[in-house]
Amino acid sequence: GAGVSQSPSNKVTEKGKDVELRCDPISGHTALYWYRQRLGQGLEFLIYFQGNSAPDKSGLPSDRFSAERTGESVSTLTIQRTQQEDSAVYLCASSLGSEVFVGNQPQHFGDGTRLSIL
Amino acid sequence: QKEVEQDPGPLSVPEGAIVSLNCTYSNSAFQYFMWYRQYSRKGPELLMYTYSSGNKEDGRFTAQVDKSSKYISLFIRDSQPSDSATYLCAMPVSGGYQKVTFGTGTKLQVIP
Repeated sequence: GAGVSQSPSNKVTEKGKDVELRCDPISGHTALYWYRQRLGQGLEFLIYFQGNSAPDKSGLPSDRFSAERTGESVSTLTIQRTQQEDSAVYLCASSLGSEVFVGNQPQHFGDGTRLSIL
Repeated sequence: QKEVEQDPGPLSVPEGAIVSLNCTYSNSAFQYFMWYRQYSRKGPELLMYTYSSGNKEDGRFTAQVDKSSKYISLFIRDSQPSDSATYLCAMPVSGGYQKVTFGTGTKLQVIP
C-alpha cells in the first residue's frame, strides 16, 4: 500500500511474555520513528532510525525495549518480559528525510498496534 | 512542567461553530509549529504547520502562533461532524533531525 503499515493492529498478551511489533514504512522513506501513546497522553518518542542506524534511542523506556531496522525498510520493535505499564498504542512514522523543517518532509504515521498486557 | 501543554477536553460544539484549540509551550527554541489530527483508532495526520509567529490559513483552518506568549492556536471555521477527532499540537526540537514533541491532544466533538 501507499501508507505506513503496522502489524498486528491489536495484540493481547500475558505479563512476562515477549512481543514483536512490525512497521513497514512508505517505500523510499529513509527516516523511521517509533512512538508510544498511552491512554489520555500525548505521543512519547521512543527511537529514531536514519537508514538502518539508530542515532537516537534515548526514548526507549528500559532495556526491555529494543528495535531494529533492516534493508532501510521494515522495522521491528521488541518488548521483552512485558509489564502491564507497557499497555499502549505503539505508533510508527516514516518521513522522506529527517530535516527539521517539516514542510517537505512530514512524518506519515501508521494506525498503530494496540498492545494490552494482561 | 511539560514542554507542551494542551487542554485534553473533550470539547463539544454544534455544527457550524467556530472552534479554538490551543497549546502553550515552554521551550523558546521551538520555531516550527504543527497541528496533527487523529481520528479514533487511526494514526495522526499532519494538518498544518507554521514557522515562527503569525497566521496561516488553509481552507476552514487557521493556525496562529504567538512566540512572545509561547501560545499557539488552531481555529476551525464552520465546523463539521467530520472534524470530530483529537487535535495534537507538535513542535520539532532542533538536534539534527525531526524529533517532535507532542501535546496530549484535545478531543473535539462536533454535534450535527
